[in-house]
Amino acid sequence: GDSVTQMEGPVTLSEEAFLTINCTYTATGYPSLFWYVQYPGEGLQLLLKATKADDKGSNKGFEATYRKETTSFHLEKGSVQVSDSAVYFCALPAGGTSYGKLTFGQGTILTVHP
Amino acid sequence: KAGVTQTPRYLIKTRGQQVTLSCSPISGHRSVSWYQQTPGQGLQFLFEYFSETQRNKGNFPGRFSGRQFSNSRSEMNVSTLELGDSALYLCASSSGTGDEKLFFGSGTQLSVL
Repeated sequence: GDSVTQMEGPVTLSEEAFLTINCTYTATGYPSLFWYVQYPGEGLQLLLKATKADDKGSNKGFEATYRKETTSFHLEKGSVQVSDSAVYFCALPAGGTSYGKLTFGQGTILTVHP
Repeated sequence: KAGVTQTPRYLIKTRGQQVTLSCSPISGHRSVSWYQQTPGQGLQFLFEYFSETQRNKGNFPGRFSGRQFSNSRSEMNVSTLELGDSALYLCASSSGTGDEKLFFGSGTQLSVL
């Protein structure tokens, strides 16, 4: 079945450092790909989305490019802030009749120090 | 536009009891999905409702059930609670048309003692 694999965490960075969180997927066809973020004590928020190969999703300084050839959707940010500390999830719609169902990676905890 | 609202925010129950969680979706959204989040298992899909009908279901026992009302509000019920049911239960709403962009509530933190 469809699956998502995220890099092992946690990730600890200093403010203004460059961030990469790796995500690779296994899927039938070319599904939309998502990054969600979960701040402490909150639910998940959609961070960005890409719907087809070579699409680049971007939001709040974060970017991710849908790479069909490497089945990857890595999340990047050029200069992280303390406020970016959160858990980041890569996700894709589950295969078949997948109404409301996303398959999530295990999540990557990011901590940014001043 | 108001977001997804889940109530209550926290719940403490004992084994064997039953619990009902509530979710009000974003206005205009007809689909409501439920997820269980635990440190060990991550995010797991429970079920999805659209126009009062369950369209999709995850791999959870029958103790977990849900329903959706005509105003799209949804409830989730867990009967005969077990210690392992302790989790953050998240509700998400969407248009239900297949875009799969989900909008999540803040969740209900359930502790089973």
